[in-house]
Amino acid sequence: DTAVSQTPKYLVTQMGNDKSIKCEQNLGHDTMYWYKQDSKKFLKIMFSYNNKELIINETVPNRFSPKSPDKAHLNLHINSLELGDSAVYFCASSQEGTSRVTDTQYFGPGTRLTVL
Amino acid sequence: GQNIDQPTEMTATEGAIVQINCTYQTSGFNGLFWYQQHAGEAPTFLSYNVLDGLEEKGRFSSFLSRSKGYSYLLLKELQMKDSASYLCAVMDSNYQLIWGAGTKLIIKP
Repeated sequence: DTAVSQTPKYLVTQMGNDKSIKCEQNLGHDTMYWYKQDSKKFLKIMFSYNNKELIINETVPNRFSPKSPDKAHLNLHINSLELGDSAVYFCASSQEGTSRVTDTQYFGPGTRLTVL
Repeated sequence: GQNIDQPTEMTATEGAIVQINCTYQTSGFNGLFWYQQHAGEAPTFLSYNVLDGLEEKGRFSSFLSRSKGYSYLLLKELQMKDSASYLCAVMDSNYQLIWGAGTKLIIKP
């Protein structure tokens, strides 16, 4: 009965490879997010989707491409991985998440990506 | 620019009380959140304040002063399991969460 789940939990790969991280939420939420948490522990928003539509797209390299097949899933594909991509990536979801609504975000367990 | 400041690290004793402060400067304000994050785990929601004053929830309380751009999280009767990072986050005028770097709380017996 996990609310927000991510796979894999750990991902170790070589520079230049392409990898994907999957996220699913069973809370019936409309909005999903991808965050990157680096070694300094700052959580940085990368993307946000509301009902499969992109609503936040922060300045991230275009090697990162989110895909939302339905509102319960938001996957993150990363091309040509670089050393600086090593971080923990968190998926999150919220009930609405659109403008004019403040609601709580619930986080997945995180994916620790290590690029060698 | 938008800024959330909180101490990097604090140490407290089991059974004691600790107050973690957070000051913010954001473009607009639509609420302030506190999250707890244990090492290697996801942030979990603790509290939400949008009006001035104190919100109490068991051993944890959160205070907000919008005029001062200030909040604190108060933890009472500290337990070893409270050792974690505590993240302050503010929702700005675009309803986007701006996160602080977190305060690592170390509890000693």
